[in-house]
Amino acid sequence: DTEVTQTPKHLVMGMTNKKSLKCEQHMGHRAMYWYKQKAKKPPELMFVYSYEKLSINESVPSRFSPECPNSSLLNLHLHALQPEDSALYLCASSQGSGPQHEQYFGPGTRLTVT
Amino acid sequence: GEDVEQSLFLSVREGDSSVINCTYTDSSSTYLYWYKQEPGAGLQLLTYIFSNMDMKQDQRLTVLLNKKDKHLSLRIADTQTGDSAIYFCADFWANTDKLIFGTGTRLQVFP
Repeated sequence: DTEVTQTPKHLVMGMTNKKSLKCEQHMGHRAMYWYKQKAKKPPELMFVYSYEKLSINESVPSRFSPECPNSSLLNLHLHALQPEDSALYLCASSQGSGPQHEQYFGPGTRLTVT
Repeated sequence: GEDVEQSLFLSVREGDSSVINCTYTDSSSTYLYWYKQEPGAGLQLLTYIFSNMDMKQDQRLTVLLNKKDKHLSLRIADTQTGDSAIYFCADFWANTDKLIFGTGTRLQVFP
């Protein structure tokens, strides 16, 4: 089983709302990732968690707040977003954070900020 | 920083072979990956190659790696309409522990 699940599939939120994206994997992977993908562009890394600790933050604005409550779950808390934050948000996981560990992606959450 | 480039578009007839090309700049690359993304979906891992290999075959997929020229290709044999998607190559950039994606190639398969 190489499944990563993400909820919700679609999310529309206003600039004053607070919402959360959720990601779950049951493969025993110890590294989890958030990526942002704009239309017709490749995914861009936002955050990496390794063994439930934040190991990489790609200078992401503080209106995006990641959380890793346990080794199977990854959340992305959203607050005071801007319309330019509208994108597909992809979660991924891998056995470890090194190059030899393939990253498996979820289906994504399509976020629209109005 | 690391730069990974792909041609934007490829159109092939059903049943023909498709070859998608990728160039990268990181001379210390160890693992290179190919992902497929269908419209509105996440990324599906197709295959990967370790840098000490020249070629890897996996059913209809063949990956060729030319380390000297920093060139990677993905050949899809007997291309089907279900292969229509965007294909991304990705290089794990050891300097930063990040997976760097190419610009993506849109493959269109026509009957």
